[in-house]
Amino acid sequence: NAGVMQNPRHLVRRRGQEARLRCSPMKGHSHVYWYRQLPEEGLKFMVYLQKENIIDESGMPKERFSAEFPKEGPSILRIQQVVRGDSAAYFCASSPVTSGAHEQYFGPGTRLTVT
Amino acid sequence: SQQGEEDPQALSIQEGENATMNCSYKTSINNLQWYRQNSGRGLVHLILIRSNEREKHSGRLRVTLDTSKKSSSLLITASRAADTASYFCAVVTGANSKLTFGKGITLSVRP
Repeated sequence: NAGVMQNPRHLVRRRGQEARLRCSPMKGHSHVYWYRQLPEEGLKFMVYLQKENIIDESGMPKERFSAEFPKEGPSILRIQQVVRGDSAAYFCASSPVTSGAHEQYFGPGTRLTVT
Repeated sequence: SQQGEEDPQALSIQEGENATMNCSYKTSINNLQWYRQNSGRGLVHLILIRSNEREKHSGRLRVTLDTSKKSSSLLITASRAADTASYFCAVVTGANSKLTFGKGITLSVRP
């Protein structure tokens, strides 16, 4: 059973471009969480999705950021018109059920650099 | 300020010694979890302790939870150089069970 997969592992974008980050949860997991980690900081929650539904997007900036988890395929975190402040590591995690009583399994992260 | 504030920020010990890391939080929780992150890598789950539990063990790890003081501690016994990493506590508070992380503790174990 492969773990949580994220790609790309490293992504470089110029200011104003779009960044698309992909996350394939563990097999059998239908809950996906996205977190952002700035240098020397802990992870900050961004969004929680189940298949075809956004459950909680309270941590996601209202503009330029969007997320989806379609019925088929990976979850996508999309950042439009990137700015330097978007440079960070973006991690997704998955769990088989609502994670209240379960751990979340993290992917290796995508490191986004905006030049 | 945020939930899950760890203390100390950095800890340096000799191999074989025990490492104790503390975490404080502010509101009622469903559970508290500890994660490890090696430099440049993703997070690895270490242990989960529920709000109605007081202590849990897993191998060389011992976690305690004091809900009256809103604090937890992670003890790593007989540390090894391979334990060198950043350690984060994270709390689960609401129905959606998102994790709220602290800034982490950097542990260095000298061989």
